[in-house]
Amino acid sequence: QKEVEQNSGPLSVPEGAIASLNCTYSDRGSQSFFWYRQYSGKSPELIMFIYSNGDKEDGRFTAQLNKASQYVSLLIRDSQPSDSATYLCAVISNFGNEKLTFGTGTRLTIIP
Amino acid sequence: GAGVSQTPSNKVTEKGKYVELRCDPISGHTALYWYRQSLGQGPEFLIYFQGTGAADDSGLPNDRFFAVRPEGSVSTLKIQRTERGDSAVYLCASSRGAPTYTQYFGPGTRLTVL
Repeated sequence: QKEVEQNSGPLSVPEGAIASLNCTYSDRGSQSFFWYRQYSGKSPELIMFIYSNGDKEDGRFTAQLNKASQYVSLLIRDSQPSDSATYLCAVISNFGNEKLTFGTGTRLTIIP
Repeated sequence: GAGVSQTPSNKVTEKGKYVELRCDPISGHTALYWYRQSLGQGPEFLIYFQGTGAADDSGLPNDRFFAVRPEGSVSTLKIQRTERGDSAVYLCASSRGAPTYTQYFGPGTRLTVL
């Protein structure tokens, strides 16, 4: 079982709709969770981080964390063509070691 | 301020050669990380530094890979006797550490071993 799992997609969403991206992790002791966006040929760009159970909102983006179920999700409201990218979920397992463990990413395409 | 910078942006080398990849972190960030990303995969951890010391080098694939950060700022990833399987994008990230541990990535170095 991979430590961080994501559906590789591609996920196609009409412009203006809500895109929902999901991620599960295997280490129950994981402490902090990150979503990165990666355009083709570019490096990962931080979108959001979340540590506590529940929702965290930042503009059109909402991160949701459920530690009991070991999943974290990212919602993108009012999807725009510029949101088309690969979204990477990353986890820090414990604060004693800050390395990120990434999923393989979900490729999102927003259809105009 | 300036973000993480990496040089070179592209490196083409021949099998068996030695290469050095450089990373200049965000000013004031004490933690520095190296990852490697192959096509269609997420970044894979290699090593991270807290200050000058390697806090975790468990991701280095073998002893051909080595990294240093002698003054706690710039880091160099060194690969000896390169192999075709080393071809990938090498990403560097830096972080201020607590409380957020958020890592910011540089543009990467694309290494191609012929």
